[in-house]
Amino acid sequence: ETGVTQTPRHLVMGMTNKKSLKCEQHLGHNAMYWYKQSAKKPLELMFVYSLEERVENNSVPSRFSPECPNSSHLFLHLHTLQPEDSALYLCASSQDPPGAYNEQFFGPGTRLTVL
Amino acid sequence: QKEVEQNSGPLSVPEGAIASLNCTYSDRGSQSFFWYRQYSGKSPELIMSIYSNGDKEDGRFTAQLNKASQYVSLLIRDSQPSDSATYLCAVNAEAAGNKLTFGGGTRVLVKP
Repeated sequence: ETGVTQTPRHLVMGMTNKKSLKCEQHLGHNAMYWYKQSAKKPLELMFVYSLEERVENNSVPSRFSPECPNSSHLFLHLHTLQPEDSALYLCASSQDPPGAYNEQFFGPGTRLTVL
Repeated sequence: QKEVEQNSGPLSVPEGAIASLNCTYSDRGSQSFFWYRQYSGKSPELIMSIYSNGDKEDGRFTAQLNKASQYVSLLIRDSQPSDSATYLCAVNAEAAGNKLTFGGGTRVLVKP
C-alpha cells in the first residue's frame, strides 16, 4: 500500500448504528486530518492530530469521535448520526504538524450515507 | 465575506487553449497557497504549491501569486480533456491557526 488509504470506501448506515472509518498513511508523516466534503460546500476541517495528539476540534458534534492510536492510523467513530451527516469523509496527512508550508495529501475518502 | 473565494464555473475551455483560474483570499497574513485537482467522485490531488510572489511553473501548470492584491491564480496550458475537473484553491491562513482553508472550487470543462 502506498500513500493514504481509507476504509471502507462506501458506507450506508442507519441513524442508530455505530460505525468507524479507518485511515492509514504510509508516508511517514507526523500529522493527520479529517475533513468533511458535502455537496455544494467547501471542504471543512474536522479534526487535526499532530504527533498523535489532537490539536484541533473544529466545533464538530460529539457524535463524531476521532482516535489516533499512532502516527500512521486515524479513526473516526460514528454514532447516532443524522441524514445531514451524509458526505464524503476525507483523511489527509502532512509531513510536519500544521504550519505555514506543510503540504497535505488526501486519501480516497469514504462516501457515507445516513438513512 | 468568504475566506477563500473562487468562481464556481463551469469554465469551458477548448482543447489546446489556456485555462485561467482565479482565487482570492481575505487573510493578509496567509503564507502558503495550494492548488488541488479533484475529479468527480475522487479525492483532491495536490498539483501546485506556491509561497512567494510571482510565477511558479510545473509542466503545463503555472501558479501566480500576488500577496498585495490577495489573489492566486492557476494557468493550465494546452488544456486536455483529461484536465476536466474541479480545481480547489487552499490557503494556509494565519488567522485560522495555520490550517488550510479551502475555496469552493472551480469546475473546468475542456471540450475536444
